Amino acid sequence: DQQVKQNSPSLSVQEGRISILNCDYTNSMFDYFLWYKKYPAEGPTFLISISSIKDKNEDGRFTVFLNKSAKHLSLHIVPSQPGDSAVYFCAASSISGSARQLTFGSGTQLTVLP
Amino acid sequence: KAGVTQTPRYLIKTRGQQVTLSCSPISGHRSVSWYQQTPGQGLQFLFEYFSETQRNKGNFPGRFSGRQFSNSRSEMNVSTLELGDSALYLCASSGAGENEKLFFGSGTQLSVL
Repeated sequence: DQQVKQNSPSLSVQEGRISILNCDYTNSMFDYFLWYKKYPAEGPTFLISISSIKDKNEDGRFTVFLNKSAKHLSLHIVPSQPGDSAVYFCAASSISGSARQLTFGSGTQLTVLP
Repeated sequence: KAGVTQTPRYLIKTRGQQVTLSCSPISGHRSVSWYQQTPGQGLQFLFEYFSETQRNKGNFPGRFSGRQFSNSRSEMNVSTLELGDSALYLCASSGAGENEKLFFGSGTQLSVL
């Protein structure tokens, strides 16, 4: 049972436009959410995060929105650039045992077309 | 400061063999986690170690095991390899109070023939 779902395996966007990546979760115990970006042949790198006490967090061109009632978060990239082309993973955090544990979605391949 | 280092970068094994993967975390990081990435499945959590103790374990069979040394370096072992074990194995470390923010290595690409 996937607790974190990214239902769009891929997304193509024109350079300069907005990219919107979506993520849904089922576990109400998740209280911290993150987005990671992954280029081929590299490990994922942290992009942006949001605590469940907030509904928006912004960092430059990247904004994450959290809708707790819908158990939905999204990542907005404005404006999109060709260098943003990568796989984006959504992750959710909860306490498990004596430590926090991250649960990842299956990823969305973003392609920004020049 | 140096990032997370994983060795080897690529590995080819045959069914039934066993394999050991190595991970050196960022200096000062005491938590090391392991993930398996397969196409379409995202990152599946294997286990997490902190100060040489396994703190969390994912839903993988007992063929998958790990350990952590006193210098925080970690190894992951898979015994009796199966074709389905072919995947990218990622190690990540985190610092004190930053359990959510993981720093990943480039991974070990394991192919089981």
